[in-house]
Amino acid sequence: QKEVEQDPGPLSVPEGAIVSLNCTYSNSAFQYFMWYRQYSRKGPELLMYTYSSGNKEDGRFTAQVDKSSKYISLFIRDSQPSDSATYLCAMSWNSGYSTLTFGKGTMLLVSP
Amino acid sequence: DSGVTQTPKHLITATGQRVTLRCSPRSGDLSVYWYQQSLDQGLQFLIQYYNGEERAKGNILERFSAQQFPDLHSELNLSSLELGDSALYFCASSVEEATGPSGGNTIYFGEGSWLTVV
Repeated sequence: QKEVEQDPGPLSVPEGAIVSLNCTYSNSAFQYFMWYRQYSRKGPELLMYTYSSGNKEDGRFTAQVDKSSKYISLFIRDSQPSDSATYLCAMSWNSGYSTLTFGKGTMLLVSP
Repeated sequence: DSGVTQTPKHLITATGQRVTLRCSPRSGDLSVYWYQQSLDQGLQFLIQYYNGEERAKGNILERFSAQQFPDLHSELNLSSLELGDSALYFCASSVEEATGPSGGNTIYFGEGSWLTVV
């Protein structure tokens, strides 16, 4: 079993839909959780981060962590065509960037 | 534009050859990271430098090496190239060494260098 599993998609939704992106993981030591957005032919950009369990909201984005189930989610409300990108989850046992384990990413396509 | 500059953007080379990828971090950033992204393995951390010194090593092959120069730019050297080394290589930078976003330390990625080994 891979440490971090993420459905590659693509996930196709109409504009305005609520999107749910998910990752599962196996390492119970993971405490720091991040979501990155990667546009085609661009580098990833940090979108959201959370520590331990719970929810975090930033505008249209909500990150949710359920450590008991080893499951994290990213919700996008009122999705826009500009949200079309690949979303990578990442997680680590510490807060730095050198120990992150990344999912392979889910491609999201939002149609107008 | 993240402010992290990588060259070359694309590179095609033959097996057994050696290439050097170059990275200029954002102005003021002391920490440089190298990542490899492939379809098979996803995004993987290779190595980190902070102010000229190696700070962390990930899944970097012995055929690969890196350094950070006094002007803070960094180079990733890939030698004895194999077909499996074909990937997108990202450089990223941040101000601090060890903290992440919880400490207010944001990482910025360049646009990557596409390496194709034929």
